[in-house]
Amino acid sequence: KAGVTQTPRYLIKTRGQQVTLSCSPISGHRSVSWYQQTPGQGLQFLFEYFSETQRNKGNFPGRFSGRQFSNSRSEMNVSTLELGDSALYLCASSLRLIGGSYEQYFGPGTRLTVT
Amino acid sequence: DAKTTQPTSMDCAEGRAANLPCNHSTISGNEYVYWYRQIHSQGPQYIIHGLKNNETNEMASLIITEDRKSSTLILPHATLRDTAVYYCIVRVVGSEKLVFGKGTKLTVNP
Repeated sequence: KAGVTQTPRYLIKTRGQQVTLSCSPISGHRSVSWYQQTPGQGLQFLFEYFSETQRNKGNFPGRFSGRQFSNSRSEMNVSTLELGDSALYLCASSLRLIGGSYEQYFGPGTRLTVT
Repeated sequence: DAKTTQPTSMDCAEGRAANLPCNHSTISGNEYVYWYRQIHSQGPQYIIHGLKNNETNEMASLIITEDRKSSTLILPHATLRDTAVYYCIVRVVGSEKLVFGKGTKLTVNP
C-alpha cells in the first residue's frame, strides 16, 4: 500500500506570493491533517479534515487555509507569503482503530522557502 | 501546549536497549500515549501507542506505569538507524490532533 504523498517536495517563493501544497493520503484513509515544522517552533498543528469538512484548526492566521476533496486528497494554501512561513509542511493521514485511537502516518513533507 | 516532559537528549550504544522516558503526570483517563520519531528532515514515523496496558510491536515496546503518569519507550536492540528525535504525545480519544513537544534526541553510537 502506498504511503502519504506530498507534492511538490521543494518550493521556493517570494514574499507576497501565494502557494498551494498537495497531499494524497493512504488509500482508504478519510482524514488528513497538516502540520508546520520550523526550527524555532517545532511541529505545530495547522488543521484537520475529514470527509471534506474541517474538524479542527490550529492557531494560525487566516492566510493559512485548506480543503479536502471527495477522494480525500487535500490541499493547503498560504497567501501573502512571509519570510516566517519558510518551513517544512507535513501532511498526515489517519486510520481510526477500534476503541477510538488512531494511527497517523506522515508524508515526507514539502520544504517551502520564502525569499 | 505539550502535556509531556522528556529529556532533551540521550545516548545509547549500538546493540544495547534504548529506554526513553516520558512524564505525563496530568494525563486523563481517556488520553492515549503515542510515540513518534523523526529522522532528520523526514516526516515523523509512528512507533507505538497505548492507553494503560504495556504494548509491543515489531519496532518497540511501550511500558506505562500503573498510575499512567509516566511511560518508557524501549528499543530492544538499537541500531545506528534509530538515531532520531523521539516524541512522546498524549492524545484524547477520538481526536486526531497531535501536540508535539521538543522530544528526545537519541543518538546511537557505534
